[in-house]
Amino acid sequence: GQQLNQSPQSMFIQEGEDVSMNCTSSSIFNTWLWYKQDPGEGPVLLIALYKAGELTSNGRLTAQFGITRKDSFLNISASIPSDVGIYFCAGQPLGGGADGLTFGKGTHLIIQP
Amino acid sequence: DVKVTQSSRYLVKRTGEKVFLECVQDMDHENMFWYRQDPGLGLRLIYFSYDVKMKEKGDIPEGYSVSREKKERFSLILESASTNQTSMYLCASSGTGGTSNEKLFFGSGTQLSVL
Repeated sequence: GQQLNQSPQSMFIQEGEDVSMNCTSSSIFNTWLWYKQDPGEGPVLLIALYKAGELTSNGRLTAQFGITRKDSFLNISASIPSDVGIYFCAGQPLGGGADGLTFGKGTHLIIQP
Repeated sequence: DVKVTQSSRYLVKRTGEKVFLECVQDMDHENMFWYRQDPGLGLRLIYFSYDVKMKEKGDIPEGYSVSREKKERFSLILESASTNQTSMYLCASSGTGGTSNEKLFFGSGTQLSVL
């Protein structure tokens, strides 16, 4: 199946710092999604991207759909304690149904006070 | 507020037991999914369903079965639980049409321990 490499695996940052994480794929995706999982909860959709080059913001979060269609990036500006959690990217190939979603292994964000 | 509800947050079972994990959604979604989440492995699709009475195998269906008798309910069954099925199980649903099907709504998860 398709492979998604998500990095970094974990991040230890100070409150107020900016955060960047990314996902790269071995194949082209038609849709990129970013989810966040709070401790003890299920993942929640943050941002969905549908066009190569698309840049979309949701508050302090900004995500980009890479031009090659094989990567996506998520940035968080001025991190706060409630940003702690696991961030997952997910990609969907052209014509694929929701069962065709491939998830990255997650980036575990830890914020030190 | 949309909701996917999983019946148990924590479950402890013995090897060989038959285990039922229940999931209910209140969004009238056609699509429902079961994933398992393991550290370092991310989310892996076990089974999915696009309609009542319909089921399809995902990437790791071995040792599992599912039941979808009603649109809102999707059950995951471990016929004979084994220790390697100790994991976090996540149920999800999504709608159809346009860009709805890939936007998954997840339940809070069931942490299953098989002893």
